[in-house]
Amino acid sequence: GQQVMQIPQYQHVQEGEDFTTYCNSSTTLSNIQWYKQRPGGHPVFLIQLVKSGEVKKQKRLTFQFGEAKKNSSLHITATQTTDVGTYFCAGQAGAQKLVFGQGTRLTINP
Amino acid sequence: EAGVTQSPTHLIKTRGQQATLRCSPISGHTSVYWYQQALGLGLQFLLWYDEGEERNRGNFPPRFSGRQFPNYSSELNVNALELEDSALYLCASSPEGIRYTFGSGTRLTVV
Repeated sequence: GQQVMQIPQYQHVQEGEDFTTYCNSSTTLSNIQWYKQRPGGHPVFLIQLVKSGEVKKQKRLTFQFGEAKKNSSLHITATQTTDVGTYFCAGQAGAQKLVFGQGTRLTINP
Repeated sequence: EAGVTQSPTHLIKTRGQQATLRCSPISGHTSVYWYQQALGLGLQFLLWYDEGEERNRGNFPPRFSGRQFPNYSSELNVNALELEDSALYLCASSPEGIRYTFGSGTRLTVV
């Protein structure tokens, strides 16, 4: 079945440093979504990418969808303590359920 | 609009007992998804209900079961509880499988 791999599993940075998490699917996706889960919280939808090669920005966050629609990345510029949490990518193939990556836990040293 | 509501917030059970978790989706959302998140780990897919029917099931034993009611709310039942069932159980709803909205979860502790 469809699998979504996400790396790294953990990332610790100094405040102000950049952060990137990568997501790779075993199958071509119709869309990929990103979620953020704060410590003690639940996953919250961040964004959805649909088009091949699509790039979207939300303030300091940049999301990319690969040309082959099998990989994606989330890049945070100049991290802040409010960025702490676990970032999940989730891929969807057609009308199937979302398949979540394992998540990348981001911790930040202020 | 009201979000996804899960109850109870916390649940403590002893090994061998049964647990029932409940989820009310956002109004108009017909799909409900259940996930298990063990401490510090990722989201493990449990069940997907849509229009009252089970659409897909994750790699969990049969003692994990559920149902969806005509009003699209859902129940997750876990029979013969084991210690390793202790986890945060998250419910999500979506309109036709697009973006998921998660509830705050039920923290199940098995002692």
